[in-house]
Amino acid sequence: AQSVTQLDSQVPVFEEAPVELRCNYSSSVSVYLFWYVQYPNQGLQLLLKYLSGSTLVESINGFEAEFNKSQTSFHLRKPSVHISDTAEYFCAVSASTYDKVIFGPGTSLSVIP
Amino acid sequence: ETGVTQSPTHLIKTRGQQVTLRCSSQSGHNTVSWYQQALGQGPQFIFQYYREEENGRGNFPPRFSGLQFPNYSSELNVNALELDDSALYLCASSRDFQETQYFGPGTRLLVL
Repeated sequence: AQSVTQLDSQVPVFEEAPVELRCNYSSSVSVYLFWYVQYPNQGLQLLLKYLSGSTLVESINGFEAEFNKSQTSFHLRKPSVHISDTAEYFCAVSASTYDKVIFGPGTSLSVIP
Repeated sequence: ETGVTQSPTHLIKTRGQQVTLRCSSQSGHNTVSWYQQALGQGPQFIFQYYREEENGRGNFPPRFSGLQFPNYSSELNVNALELDDSALYLCASSRDFQETQYFGPGTRLLVL
């Protein structure tokens, strides 16, 4: 069975500062990895995903995540955050496209002006 | 291309009642999954439907049931509501189990 750990429940950061949101997973099989973002009172939006190939994946709004198989991690980073990045971020894992998606508990990112 | 829609947006029920939540999948999508997101937690997988058949189920009791219709819209039914059923219910659609799911805005259910 898979599981996802997000150690930081809340991350406050000043505007234009860098941020890293940590995600670790456990699985006995190869996995697909995802980061989703949830803005207040909205559904989830896919931010980026790792399926195979390059271990560094990027989103269109400046976020990136690196798959590290030896450390079973998929941390999310952004070099300079904006106020608009304030949201809940969920890391998720799936064993295959046919399998259910397991979500972590989420990290609340608060960007301070 | 229309996105995933859910109705109603908010709902208040009392313990013991039954509720039906609805989801309209994104155009061309034949796979739908339902999730329960309790306050302050990540979404928990309830079940998935593919071409009108249940294709997988999470750790939820049988009083949580679902349907998928020929047009790929879907319903989540919950019987004998309990206080702990209060949550945001999300549906997500995809095409042929593709890894990218598109989520709806959710239905917020409050059980009193």
